[in-house]
Amino acid sequence: SQQGEEDPQALSIQEGENATMNCSYKTSINNLQWYRQNSGRGLVHLILIRSNEREKHSGRLRVTLDTSKKSSSLLITASRAADTASYFCARAIFGNEKLTFGTGTRLTIIP
Amino acid sequence: NAGVMQNPRHLVRRRGQEARLRCSPMKGHSHVYWYRQLPEEGLKFMVYLQKENIIDESGMPKERFSAEFPKEGPSILRIQQVVRGDSAAYFCASSGARTSTDTQYFGPGTRLTVL
Repeated sequence: SQQGEEDPQALSIQEGENATMNCSYKTSINNLQWYRQNSGRGLVHLILIRSNEREKHSGRLRVTLDTSKKSSSLLITASRAADTASYFCARAIFGNEKLTFGTGTRLTIIP
Repeated sequence: NAGVMQNPRHLVRRRGQEARLRCSPMKGHSHVYWYRQLPEEGLKFMVYLQKENIIDESGMPKERFSAEFPKEGPSILRIQQVVRGDSAAYFCASSGARTSTDTQYFGPGTRLTVL
């Protein structure tokens, strides 16, 4: 299967703490995109990181990519209650225009 | 600049009826993708279209499902003779260029319930 795994499947932390989510995959990628989904809503694009990049930042978000380990991580610093959502990584594979999603990490921020 | 628009947001159909889901991509985007999400799961790719062309339909069920993206108007995902297993959230995404170089932006989804 070309789908990867996200871990943990669920994560609960106190507001203000940092949250780290991981994504692993099996085939070579062109880029990897992280999305957030609030319950019952659509997906919001967070960060796109290309296969030749190692780290990208956007506000309180930091994404790393290790192509040798076929893994990526999303770090949310100084978490807020509004960060409560499901987070998905989606892989864009060479020669293929679709995104392949994992099952996501459900993040709960406890006020 | 309006985002990706989908309608209806919620759709209820009885078994055997037809469902039509519409998607208007972001202005200037010519690449449209449809995904399906079952409860508590990630999104599964269905089909990728450009204007008047189906580029990749490898994720579409062989029967009852079809998609189009006409020269004028929205992209349409059509499900004929719906069954209970078709109940899911259907998301449309668009991009201005190929996924290998560009972000896919998602609409709010259509939640289909089959009674």
